[in-house]
Amino acid sequence: AQRVTQPEKLLSVFKGAPVELKCNYSYSGSPELFWYVQYSRQRLQLLLRHISRESIKGFTADLNKGETSFHLKKPFAQEEDSAMYYCALSPRYSTLTFGKGTMLLVSP
Amino acid sequence: DAGITQSPRHKVTETGTPVTLRCHQTENHRYMYWYRQDPGHGLRLIHYSYGVKDTDKGEVSDGYSVSRSKTEDFLLTLESATSSQTSVYFCAISDPDSNTGELFFGEGSRLTVL
Repeated sequence: AQRVTQPEKLLSVFKGAPVELKCNYSYSGSPELFWYVQYSRQRLQLLLRHISRESIKGFTADLNKGETSFHLKKPFAQEEDSAMYYCALSPRYSTLTFGKGTMLLVSP
Repeated sequence: DAGITQSPRHKVTETGTPVTLRCHQTENHRYMYWYRQDPGHGLRLIHYSYGVKDTDKGEVSDGYSVSRSKTEDFLLTLESATSSQTSVYFCAISDPDSNTGELFFGEGSRLTVL
């Protein structure tokens, strides 16, 4: 069975500092990996997918199959980045499994 | 936002009473899901549907049942609510033909079981 681990419940940084939200997964095949974000009083929404290799709102995430990781990074955090972030995994054509989430707080 | 609405948005009920949450979509997406969100547990899949009258269990299905009689509606029923089912419930939809794997979420339904 697949599993997603986000080791940090809370990550607190100052504005302008680099951010790295950790995500490790366990799955025997080749999964699809995602980061979802939930801003205060908003719906959960997709931030980015590993397969598209894009940068959204300055965030990037690289899939490291050797370390089975998909860490989310941003070089300079902004206050509006404060939110709950979920890493998620999907075996191809199957349902999404979420990690427990990391709350990111960016202070001025 | 994707056309997904959940009702009710808030509900307080007593242990042992039945509760039904409704998810309605206007996107004509084939897949629909019910998740629950709890502190320290993240989002966990309860049930999902891959078409009308086609449903399957998720990770935490005990105590829950679902029905999908139309493409646009997916109902989650707690036959006899317990305090452990106090949670925020999210409906989500996806289009498997899009090949993006993206889920679109509703705004959530906060259920309190006293």
